[in-house]
Amino acid sequence: EDQVTQSPEALRLQEGESSSLNCSYTVSGLRGLFWYRQDPGKGPEFLFTLYSAGEEKEKERLKATLTKKESFLHITAPKPEDSATYLCAVLLPGQNFVFGPGTRLSVLP
Amino acid sequence: NAGVTQTPKFQVLKTGQSMTLQCAQDMNHNSMYWYRQDPGMGLRLIYYSASEGTTDKGEVPNGYNVSRLNKREFSLRLESAAPSQTSVYFCASRPGLRSYNEQFFGPGTRLTVL
Repeated sequence: EDQVTQSPEALRLQEGESSSLNCSYTVSGLRGLFWYRQDPGKGPEFLFTLYSAGEEKEKERLKATLTKKESFLHITAPKPEDSATYLCAVLLPGQNFVFGPGTRLSVLP
Repeated sequence: NAGVTQTPKFQVLKTGQSMTLQCAQDMNHNSMYWYRQDPGMGLRLIYYSASEGTTDKGEVPNGYNVSRLNKREFSLRLESAAPSQTSVYFCASRPGLRSYNEQFFGPGTRLTVL
């Protein structure tokens, strides 16, 4: 069964305290791994797409990496405005997306 | 561009009532999707439409029907609502089926079934 898990479920950081979020997947075929940010009461907003092991992408304080079984979202020197739920999703060969449950990030000033 | 719009934003139904959730996109995207989001379970795919004129079941299609009315619009219908369908529903669109095509999401419809 295709499965995507994320850890931790929730994370509280002080402003400037760097950390990483994990997305692990067990799927029959990976066509892409996507990271999204979701603010309360809103729809997810696209951050990154990764395709192959070893790939990395960066955007401001965020960097996403991919291995054969997991992806990490590294947050460097976070600010309170980075507080949100971060979702990862895998794209399967049948055009289905499977989402993880998300990590709720709180960055305290 | 408005992006992906959904109506209504909120809805309360009684068990057994029916309703249609509307979704429209103005980005000329080919593919459209319906998800439900429940606490602790992430987004689960209900139905999707790879292109105008086609629809396919996702992970949790039971109790739902969809219509791809045209390239812009993709509606989700609950024929006989049940309390288990209380959820937040998101519509998404995607330019096409290339691996690098990300999804663009609407703001969601919050549905409560009593």
